[in-house]
Amino acid sequence: GEDVEQSLFLSVREGDSSVINCTYTDSSSTYLYWYKQEPGAGLQLLTYIFSNMDMKQDQRLTVLLNKKDKHLSLRIADTQTGDSAIYFCAERSYNTDKLIFGTGTRLQVFP
Amino acid sequence: EPEVTQTPSHQVTQMGQEVILRCVPISNHLYFYWYRQILGQKVEFLVSFYNNEISEKSEIFDDQFSVERPDGSNFTLKIRSTKLEDSAMYFCASSGAVSGANVLTFGAGSRLTVL
Repeated sequence: GEDVEQSLFLSVREGDSSVINCTYTDSSSTYLYWYKQEPGAGLQLLTYIFSNMDMKQDQRLTVLLNKKDKHLSLRIADTQTGDSAIYFCAERSYNTDKLIFGTGTRLQVFP
Repeated sequence: EPEVTQTPSHQVTQMGQEVILRCVPISNHLYFYWYRQILGQKVEFLVSFYNNEISEKSEIFDDQFSVERPDGSNFTLKIRSTKLEDSAMYFCASSGAVSGANVLTFGAGSRLTVL
């Protein structure tokens, strides 16, 4: 079945860029998403990318998609302590509306 | 900003008991979902619901699970006879349309602990 994998932890210094990586197996993916989860809160959609795009930028966020390698990344520029959270990658296939999630990457930002 | 509300935030129950988790989706949304996350594992799809019926369900969503939209605002997940392995965080989500990106809005989750 479809699978989505992420590294579990990332630690960065405040002001640096963070890059969170994700790989997936479904070659029929239509949309890929990044969600953020802060303690005690739900999953908040940060951004998404359509599978025929290779890049999307939204303020401090840049999503890169390498469809050939099935690799998705989220770059956060000028990372702030408020960016500390768990970041989930998710994908949706063309014939379903369910999301397949990764395990989440815990981003820790230190001063 | 509109939000999805879930209750209770935490429920502790004995194995074999019935549990109902409640969700109030965003008012003009038509598509409703339940996902769950067992501690340390991935967020997993359980079920999607549209037009008062299940549109898709996963293998996890067996006969012990049911969903209902009893009135115009609530969307519930019932677990008939809870097992230890049902302990998880359960997330409700809703969306306005499944075409395009189908952006889901998630609630904060209900943590279920089965003893």
